[in-house]
Amino acid sequence: DIQMTQSPSSVSASVGDRVTITCRASQSISSWLAWYQQKPGKAPKILIYAASSLQSGVPSRFSGSGFGTDFTLTISSLQPEDSATYYCQQGNSFPLTFGGGTKVEIK
Amino acid sequence: EVPLVESGGALIQPGGSLRLSCTVSGFSVSSNYMSWVRQAPGKGLEWVSVIYSGGRTYYADSVKGRFTVSRDDSKNTLYLQMSSLRAEDTALYYCARGGGDYNPFDYWGQGTLVTVSS
Repeated sequence: DIQMTQSPSSVSASVGDRVTITCRASQSISSWLAWYQQKPGKAPKILIYAASSLQSGVPSRFSGSGFGTDFTLTISSLQPEDSATYYCQQGNSFPLTFGGGTKVEIK
Repeated sequence: EVPLVESGGALIQPGGSLRLSCTVSGFSVSSNYMSWVRQAPGKGLEWVSVIYSGGRTYYADSVKGRFTVSRDDSKNTLYLQMSSLRAEDTALYYCARGGGDYNPFDYWGQGTLVTVSS
């Protein structure tokens, strides 16, 4: 199974800050990585697919990069509504696996 | 919005069985990869199973042999038949579109809660 490791597990930042979350795969997954945002009591929402493609309707302050084993999700200018938990997910092979999540809080 | 509506969650005793349903409107379950993803209380996301348009299925090792994913194309509904339930199956179960051939999960339901406890 491919293990997905996210860091940090939590981050606290101010409105307007740049926030970067990393996700590392235990083996190469090419660019088959997605990022999701989940707010309390809500279903996850896709932000990024294929490592760097922005899902329609998602604000452009979200961006993704990476290939192989190392990936990043960047929020260029943190907004209050970005307070949530973020998950990466590999779609390269079964079983599909998620990272453990990164909780983003607003200072 | 493309609604996916799950139902069937309940409090069930260990060893019991339960069937979850996911009724979809806006697209055909028969033409898409359809998955179940679960989330234990306060925990992260865990993929459970997927069914391909052609009927092929895959499962997480933790549920293989106990859970069966299926669909009724005439009702545009996805199912998850769960048997030999364990306490560790307690979770909010989401249905989602995607999960096969590199497709991400682009639409999600609101989830249905399964609690396994005596």
